[in-house]
Amino acid sequence: NAGVTQTPKFQVLKTGQSMTLQCAQDMNHEYMSWYRQDPGMGLRLIHYSVGAGITDQGEVPNGYNVSRSTTEDFPLRLLSAAPSQTSVYFCASSLSSGVPNTGELFFGEGSRLTVL
Amino acid sequence: GENVEQHPSTLSVQEGDSAVIKCTYSDSASNYFPWYKQELGKGPQLIIDIRSNVGEKKDQRIAVTLNKTAKHFSLHITETQPEDSAVYFCAASFSSNDYKLSFGAGTTVTVRA
Repeated sequence: NAGVTQTPKFQVLKTGQSMTLQCAQDMNHEYMSWYRQDPGMGLRLIHYSVGAGITDQGEVPNGYNVSRSTTEDFPLRLLSAAPSQTSVYFCASSLSSGVPNTGELFFGEGSRLTVL
Repeated sequence: GENVEQHPSTLSVQEGDSAVIKCTYSDSASNYFPWYKQELGKGPQLIIDIRSNVGEKKDQRIAVTLNKTAKHFSLHITETQPEDSAVYFCAASFSSNDYKLSFGAGTTVTVRA
């Protein structure tokens, strides 16, 4: 199993450009999420999904869109990139969104995005 | 939402000594408290977790303690080794939904040989 796969690993954008960060998992996990990691701020939840066709906002959703058309894929879209979106982005999945839950999040290796 | 504070932000210890990282949380309904370790260039990985009905949990050289009354929990690493050098994150669940986590800012641990 590949686990959680993110692409691209690195990307440089100009302000106003759009792009999609891809995330795929092969563990048949129900729950998928996107976090951004910034120095001194830890990991902040952007959007999450508890299953195909269901998405919801996290702590910092502004400027980002998501969709979940299949169980495996959860892309993150930046519609009009801004310098404040320069960050490292992590996709994470978990087996179940129900309670009780093992709780363990499996993270991808991250996508480093720079917006000039 | 949940607010998690983590201290210290950096920690340098001599190999063989112990390391302690402390976190506090704000939502009294939180019931799941994991700890993640992030090595350079990698995604975070779960190392230990604890639920609100347990006060302490141990796994070899690492242990976590939870004080629900005071709303704080701690990670203890004993007999530190060079491979323990990493960034450690504590997290707490959003209310009772333990799949949604709020993370602390992270602690960079350096183990000196």
